[in-house]
Formats: sequence, structure tokens, C-alpha cells
Amino acid sequence: GEEVAQTPKHLVRGEGQKAKLYCAPIKGHSYVFWYQQVLKNEFKFLISFQNENVFDETGMPKERFSAKCLPNSPCSLEIQATKLEDSAVYFCASSPGGGARALPGYTFGSGTRLTVV
Amino acid sequence: AQKITQTQPGMFVQEKEAVTLDCTYDTSDPSYGLFWYKQPSSGEMIFLIYQGSYDQQNATEGRYSLNFQKARKSANLVISASQLGDSAMYFCAMRAFIQGAQKLVFGQGTRLTINP
Repeated sequence: GEEVAQTPKHLVRGEGQKAKLYCAPIKGHSYVFWYQQVLKNEFKFLISFQNENVFDETGMPKERFSAKCLPNSPCSLEIQATKLEDSAVYFCASSPGGGARALPGYTFGSGTRLTVV
Repeated sequence: AQKITQTQPGMFVQEKEAVTLDCTYDTSDPSYGLFWYKQPSSGEMIFLIYQGSYDQQNATEGRYSLNFQKARKSANLVISASQLGDSAMYFCAMRAFIQGAQKLVFGQGTRLTINP
């Protein structure tokens, strides 16, 4: 389809519980990005994929966060043992890629609001 | 370092007036792209306009135009004839290639309020 589908829209977890978020990128897009937005302000880059391969994971707090993009499955972002500070909106975006001069075409999903209580 | 700076945390404008939202960027990469996104209170990210670093002309999309001044490293968004529905957060972002990987780098955002 022509939209990036993120599920669920809202997720509430008790501190210490696991949270798993899903993202179905636009068909044909090679790149998937995950961003964390806290308090509707700055976007923090977490991780990107080129197809099913991790492309850049410099933003990931690796001790609790993990992500995958497997063939024929939605991409996922998992947080083990959630903390209060993980409360945020998590956005997924996909892009066709193609290098520096390619048309950018980033499309964002509608986000998953994670609330840790 | 790749960085986007939006110096206006909040802007208040009268309906039908034009408004300029400021954005400056920092990059040593000769090839980059600049974006503006609108985020209404409902939370979704709406793409508004894009300017490539090699584009000779300023980008325009309906009521949106991008005042691209490469030497000054600024990419201000101009909204003409503002409407009540323009009230939202606005984010400037840059497509950067950092250590071979592309990503969007965002500014802090500007909250625009249109008064009737």
C-alpha cells in the first residue's frame, strides 16, 4: 500500500514489562527508520534498516531495545523491561533510498504512543 | 556535525497573514536535502515541502514556499495567507549521510498558532 502502517496506535505497559511495536513500510521501499519523539518535541533517531539488514543502529539503547525487519513480515521494535522514560511516540518511516541525489520520499507512519506506568 | 536549529519555540500570527518559520542547518556534506513537516495536535507527520542542495530554484507547494539561502545555510518556511488549520508544530529536517548511512536530522520544532 501507499502508507506506512504502525500498530498498535496506543500501548500501555507497566514498568518492567515488554513492549513490541510494529511497522509495515510501503511496498518497494528499501529503507525503514525508527524515531522516538518525547513530549511532542525533538525526534531521536533510533535505528534504520536497508531491507532486512541493520543499516545504522547508532541511536539504539542496546541493553533494552532491539529491532528487526524480516522478509514478508512487518518490522518490529521491542523494548525489554520498559522504563518510565521510554514513554514517547515511536514513529516509523520508510524511504525508497537510492543514494544522495535520489528523490527523498520519506513517508511516516502515524506513530505508536507508548505509555509506561 | 549535522545539525538543524529552529530558534522560534512559538509563533503567533493573525489569520490571513504570511508567516516565516526559521531554520538553519549545519553540514559539511555537499549533498543534502531539507524538509519541512507539519505535526498537528493529532500527532501525525505531514510532509510539506522539500529542497535539495543542488536545486537552483526555491521549492514551492501551494501556500508553502521554502526560502533557501545556501550561503547562509538557512531554509525558512514561508506560509502565505495563513489559515486556522495551519496551527500545529512545524519541524525542519535535513537528510544527512552520516558515516555512509542516511537519516533525517530534526530541529526542535516551532509551535505555530493562528489567531482568528
